[in-house]
Amino acid sequence: QVQLQESGPGLVKPSQTLSLTCTVSGGSISSGGYYWSWIRQHPGKGLEWIGYIYYSGSTYYNPSLKSRVTISVDTSKNQFSLKLSSVTAADTAVYYCASVVVIKGGFDYWGQGTLVTVSS
Amino acid sequence: DIQMTQSPSTLSASVGDRVTITCRASQSISSWLAWYQQKPGKAPKLLIYKASSLESGVPSRFSGSGSGTEFTLTISSLQPDDFATYYCQQYNSLWTFGQGTKVEIK
Repeated sequence: QVQLQESGPGLVKPSQTLSLTCTVSGGSISSGGYYWSWIRQHPGKGLEWIGYIYYSGSTYYNPSLKSRVTISVDTSKNQFSLKLSSVTAADTAVYYCASVVVIKGGFDYWGQGTLVTVSS
Repeated sequence: DIQMTQSPSTLSASVGDRVTITCRASQSISSWLAWYQQKPGKAPKLLIYKASSLESGVPSRFSGSGSGTEFTLTISSLQPDDFATYYCQQYNSLWTFGQGTKVEIK
């Protein structure tokens, strides 16, 4: 059973960079067949896909966030990470890491989510 | 961008009711649609993928149908554990979610 766990600061100042890491257990990022993704949910609102990385390092980002997002992978640690630059209060949200089986297309494994608040 | 629109936004129902939620895509997405259930403070849970394929471990009272631009999620007999918010999500072109349908107790 694959498990994902987000970690990182819960409070980020405006204009700074939000950094989160997702640790994967029960499976290997390097095994392929999965897109490793970040998704966020603004308080009381719906879900927004941020981007994904494949184990090879190829990435794809939501066009609305593309200029500020970087997703990277560390296969040696079985982790992938999110960086979102120049944050504002509008980036306050619960951030989830999740996996997508390529042949299914739906996000089948999720982390518990971590609330990141942007405030001075 | 492909926009996903769910209806209704809120649905009041009783235990045992048959419940149907509709999701419409702004353009054809073939059968590349998933449904999720989310409870407060929890991550979403995958219920259905490829419009009608039931995810492993999900009760058979959940079913999905549709193709192209119109899709439905049906709960055949609503159970107490089913009161939650439901989201559709397309993956024909990247991933976008509907705005959610809250199923509440009548």
